[in-house]
Amino acid sequence: NAGVTQTPKFQVLKTGQSMTLQCAQDMNHEYMSWYRQDPGMGLRLIHYSVGAGITDQGEVPNGYNVSRSTTEDFPLRLLSAAPSQTSVYFCASSYAGLAEETQYFGPGTRLLVL
Amino acid sequence: AQSVTQLDSHVSVSEGTPVLLRCNYSSSYSPSLFWYVQHPNKGLQLLLKYTSAATLVKGINGFEAEFKKSETSFHLTKPSAHMSDAAEYFCGNAGGTSYGKLTFGQGTILTVHP
Repeated sequence: NAGVTQTPKFQVLKTGQSMTLQCAQDMNHEYMSWYRQDPGMGLRLIHYSVGAGITDQGEVPNGYNVSRSTTEDFPLRLLSAAPSQTSVYFCASSYAGLAEETQYFGPGTRLLVL
Repeated sequence: AQSVTQLDSHVSVSEGTPVLLRCNYSSSYSPSLFWYVQHPNKGLQLLLKYTSAATLVKGINGFEAEFKKSETSFHLTKPSAHMSDAAEYFCGNAGGTSYGKLTFGQGTILTVHP
């Protein structure tokens, strides 16, 4: 049981390039989400999904797209990277997404946009 | 709307002395409160959570937190700090959300001196 996995661990992009951050979980969790972590700001929710085919926006969705074609995978797409998207990105999952449930976090992807 | 405020961005203690990390929350609904720990270059690990059961919550590694509704606080404590406790700690609230959309505080960096 690998839990929540993320790839790549580290990525450098140039402004305007696109890329996809991968997230997968093997716990059969319905709820998955993406956060970004910036110094002094904690973690902020980008997008979340409550099941395959269902996604919604979080607090800071601009510049990011998501889709959920399977229960296991929840990729985050940057269509045209900007320096403001330099951050550490975390994917998380929980069984049904209820408020009292524990969310399990992946190890993170460090993204640098030049 | 809900918010989480961690009152100290940095806390420094000596090994063997008590630890207090402060967290206040505001929420229109019953809160679901969490403490996570993040060691350098790692993901977030759950320490403990409060979900309207006992107000004193015990977590892993000797940490505990007390939910005080009258003070809207959920402070994290440990009687005796260990060098391995040095990390960043995040308080989060998912209460009142249809799904577990965590709102995090800004984080507190704990330094433990020998």
